[in-house]
Amino acid sequence: NAGVTQTPKFQVLKTGQSMTLQCAQDMNHNSMYWYRQDPGMGLRLIYYSASEGTTDKGEVPNGYNVSRLNKREFSLRLESAAPSQTSVYFCASNRWGYEQYFGPGTRLTVT
Amino acid sequence: KQEVTQIPAALSVPEGENLVLNCSFTDSAIYNLQWFRQDPGKGLTSLLLIQSSQREQTSGRLNASLDKSSGRSTLYIAASQPGDSATYLCAVRNNQGGKLIFGQGTELSVKP
Repeated sequence: NAGVTQTPKFQVLKTGQSMTLQCAQDMNHNSMYWYRQDPGMGLRLIYYSASEGTTDKGEVPNGYNVSRLNKREFSLRLESAAPSQTSVYFCASNRWGYEQYFGPGTRLTVT
Repeated sequence: KQEVTQIPAALSVPEGENLVLNCSFTDSAIYNLQWFRQDPGKGLTSLLLIQSSQREQTSGRLNASLDKSSGRSTLYIAASQPGDSATYLCAVRNNQGGKLIFGQGTELSVKP
């Protein structure tokens, strides 16, 4: 049981480049989330998917898009990366209303 | 709007001490509350989930309590060890389908 997995672990992008962060969970959870964590700002929700087929904006959605590919997978796309998107990105999942589990994170640097 | 506060932001204790971490929230109508641990450079690890109908939950040396009416939760760590050094975050869910709202965390350092 791998839990929540994220790829890649590290990424360096130049301003304007695009990339997709991948997330998968094997716990049969219906809800999945993308957060970013910055020093002094805490965890901030970017987008979430309450169930397969639905996605909703969180606190800081600008500059990001998401796709809930199936029940297991939830990807986060940066269409045109900006230095302000340098951060650590976490994916998380939970069964409706229950304990939330986090992935190990992706450290993204945009130069 | 629900706000979650954790004070202090940092805490340093000698090994073996019992300690309490605090979490307060502004809207007492919560569904549940979750405590996490985060080691440097790592993801969040779930420690305890306490439902709104519960007063406390225990796991090993950890005990989380919940007082909804006063908008407070505490995480009690017994006989602290250097391996307990980490940042501890609490998060509140307002309803069954709701998102977690996180506090800023308390950075705990346990000195040998």
